[in-house]
Amino acid sequence: EPEVTQTPSHQVTQMGQEVILRCVPISNHLYFYWYRQILGQKVEFLVSFYNNEISEKSEIFDDQFSVERPDGSNFTLKIRSTKLEDSAMYFCASSVGSTTDTQYFGPGTRLTVL
Amino acid sequence: GQNIDQPTEMTATEGAIVQINCTYQTSGFNGLFWYQQHAGEAPTFLSYNVLDGLEEKGRFSSFLSRSKGYSYLLLKELQMKDSASYLCAPGGYNKLIFGAGTRLAVHP
Repeated sequence: EPEVTQTPSHQVTQMGQEVILRCVPISNHLYFYWYRQILGQKVEFLVSFYNNEISEKSEIFDDQFSVERPDGSNFTLKIRSTKLEDSAMYFCASSVGSTTDTQYFGPGTRLTVL
Repeated sequence: GQNIDQPTEMTATEGAIVQINCTYQTSGFNGLFWYQQHAGEAPTFLSYNVLDGLEEKGRFSSFLSRSKGYSYLLLKELQMKDSASYLCAPGGYNKLIFGAGTRLAVHP
């Protein structure tokens, strides 16, 4: 069964450093998403992406964040200058269509900012 | 604004039935999803309701009333592996907004 994959599973970085989190969505899916979950808190929407453009972003997704689909398979989330409060689990998800189609989540990348 | 209410915790006995309620107020509603999340893992899809009524899927059923902003997830024949958080997520256009989740503990 196709699944969303994410690398790395765990990333440790120093405050102020740039990180890139990588995702490979399910191959026939057209819509891609990033969510985050701070330990003990709810899953929060960050951004959705379709046709090489951001479709929607939340207030969390400020200028420090960017997304890219650099090739036909990868979808990346970059955090330019990490802060302590960026420590969280970051989930990538993908869906065939938007709105009513099921989003399938990857296993997540645990980001720890020291 | 967005507001999603679920009980924080529930406990139930193996083999029993449990109902997890969710009330919501969201803009741009396009149906309601339920996800299961085991500790330290990703959310996994359980069910989706876009029309009012009950959707049944094996041991899991989900109900939606759009006019009341209300949904519930019904889990039958509970198993120990059902111990997890259950996330109510009204679907907006291009995103899911998750509730804080209900942590279900199933005991023997």
